[in-house]
Amino acid sequence: DVKVTQSSRYLVKRTGEKVFLECVQDMDHENMFWYRQDPGLGLRLIYFSYDVKMKEKGDIPEGYSVSREKKERFSLILESASTNQTSMYLCASFGPPWAAQETQYFGPGTRLLVL
Amino acid sequence: AQTVTQSQPEMSVQEAETVTLSCTYDTSESDYYLFWYKQPPSRQMILVIRQEAYKQQNATENRFSVNFQKAAKSFSLKISDSQLGDAAMYFCAYRSALTQGGSEKLVFGKGTKLTVNP
Repeated sequence: DVKVTQSSRYLVKRTGEKVFLECVQDMDHENMFWYRQDPGLGLRLIYFSYDVKMKEKGDIPEGYSVSREKKERFSLILESASTNQTSMYLCASFGPPWAAQETQYFGPGTRLLVL
Repeated sequence: AQTVTQSQPEMSVQEAETVTLSCTYDTSESDYYLFWYKQPPSRQMILVIRQEAYKQQNATENRFSVNFQKAAKSFSLKISDSQLGDAAMYFCAYRSALTQGGSEKLVFGKGTKLTVNP
């Protein structure tokens, strides 16, 4: 079974703090994703990475950056947290392109509160 | 850009009854995948069922089945014999069948909250 883990289930941070959310997958997947989930808005893609050191902006990248130094780890960084970044953050990973039947596997989520 | 619409923010069903969740999507692609994901309260999002657009046969997984209407761009989820454990947020999602960097991303609808009444 694919396992995607996230470093924290709950986080409380103050406005202006630098926040790191970490995601690790154990299935040697090339593709990893960070989504943000808000009530009534569904899941929105922040950033994704299809290889080590490669990253692409998703639909809402403003205020976020990412890092992928190792294949299994994909970090989301809030350089200066703001209250409008209070949300649930979901990490996901996806296998190689030829695994056409595969889909994304999700971590348990990190609920971030910015005060 | 592709879009996914779930027009029912909330649905409810009696235990043991059948419920259908609606999803429509918009795309100019001919080959793609569609998914239904389930997110129980405070629990991990899991895949319920997937459908390949090139397959005419509707996918089925135990009590879960889909009605895929490609021409109408409709992809509804039917849950038969509803159980209390089916209570969750359900998300419809789209993925391109292209195999180049970035095409593996999912486009989600806004979700439908399903309540199962005993």
